[in-house]
This record gives sequence, C-alpha cells and structure tokens, in this order.
Amino acid sequence: EAGVTQFPSHSVIEKGQTVTLRCDPISGHDNLYWYRRVMGKEIKFLLHFVKESKQDESGMPNNRFLAERTGGTYSTLKVQPAELEDSGVYFCASSQVEAFFGQGTRLTVV
Amino acid sequence: AQRVTQPEKLLSVFKGAPVELKCNYSYSGSPELFWYVQYSRQRLQLLLRHISRESIKGFTADLNKGETSFHLKKPFAQEEDSAMYYCALSGGTSYGKLTFGQGTILTVHP
Repeated sequence: EAGVTQFPSHSVIEKGQTVTLRCDPISGHDNLYWYRRVMGKEIKFLLHFVKESKQDESGMPNNRFLAERTGGTYSTLKVQPAELEDSGVYFCASSQVEAFFGQGTRLTVV
Repeated sequence: AQRVTQPEKLLSVFKGAPVELKCNYSYSGSPELFWYVQYSRQRLQLLLRHISRESIKGFTADLNKGETSFHLKKPFAQEEDSAMYYCALSGGTSYGKLTFGQGTILTVHP
C-alpha cells in the first residue's frame, strides 16, 4: 500500500514568489492534516481536512497560506507571497484513526 | 491550552544501557499520548500510543496522570534506536491533530 506522498521533496524559492506543495494521502483516508516545523521549533499543526472540508484551520499562520483539497483526494498548500520566515519542513499526514506522515517538503525561502 | 514538553534536546547513551526519554504534558481533559520516531532519512512514524499499552521495539511508555508525564523507556538501548523522538498529544477524537514536543535526538553509541 502506498503511503502518504508529498511533492516536491525540496523547494528553494525567492522571497515574494509563490510555491505550491502537494500531498497525496493514503487512499480511503478522509482526514488530511498539514504540519510545519520551522528551524529550531517544534512541529506545529496547520490545518485539518475531512474529505474536502476544512475542519480546523486554527494553525494557519496568516492569509498568505491557502490550502485546498478539491474532491477530497489530494491536497495543496500554497504560499503566496513567500517570506523568509516560511522556511521549514512542511509535513502532511492522513488518517482514519492513526496518523501516517509523508516524508515532508523542505521549503527554503531566500 | 495544551502543551508538550521534552526537556532534553539531545540524549546519548551506550549500547546496552537503559534509556529514558522524558515527556511532560499539560491538558485540561483526558489526552491521548503518543511517541513518534523519525529515523535518519525516513518519515515520521508512530512508535506507540498509551491507549494500546504495548511494547514496540522494546520501548514502553506509561501515562502518569498525577505527574502529567509519558516518559519513553527501554531497558537495553541498541544502536538502531538512534533517531529523533517526538512526544505528541491529541486532545480530540481525531488522532491526527497532534501537539508535538520539541523532540529529543537519541544517539546510541557502540
């Protein structure tokens, strides 16, 4: 069975540019979560989808971040415009009960 | 507010020695506690959760509500246990919305 897959694995962009991260959850998992680990800090919850609906987006840092999950399958997280402090590792997880994590996308904003 | 604290960023032991990774939490209700592990170049994966009360790879963790702790223990550490360990808390019905501690890097020396 394929696990949670994230694309790209690495992304380096300039401040002010736009980046879109993608997450493909485990097939059949209704719950999808985004997390972020900024350098030196703990992994922090960003938001939670149940199917295509945003269940909880209390962790989204600001309106430069937009998450979508059209059709309730894969999800995208867009950062526009990117700032230096957005650098970090972005994790996606999916679950029915236990959460399974993707390998993460390392985003570097220069 | 819920919070998870792992007081040790780094922990080094020799092979065969006992190891204990500390985790304390604060939560007003009845939390679910987890230990996640990330081996080098691998994704974050669930090691164990308190509700199952099982031993995985020789590790155990007991939830102590009086001390609000969920320390991870192993009587005889192995080199392959070297990894980053995260303690995490879930306060709701979804096991995927997690509050993580800062993580502890465990190094087991030969």
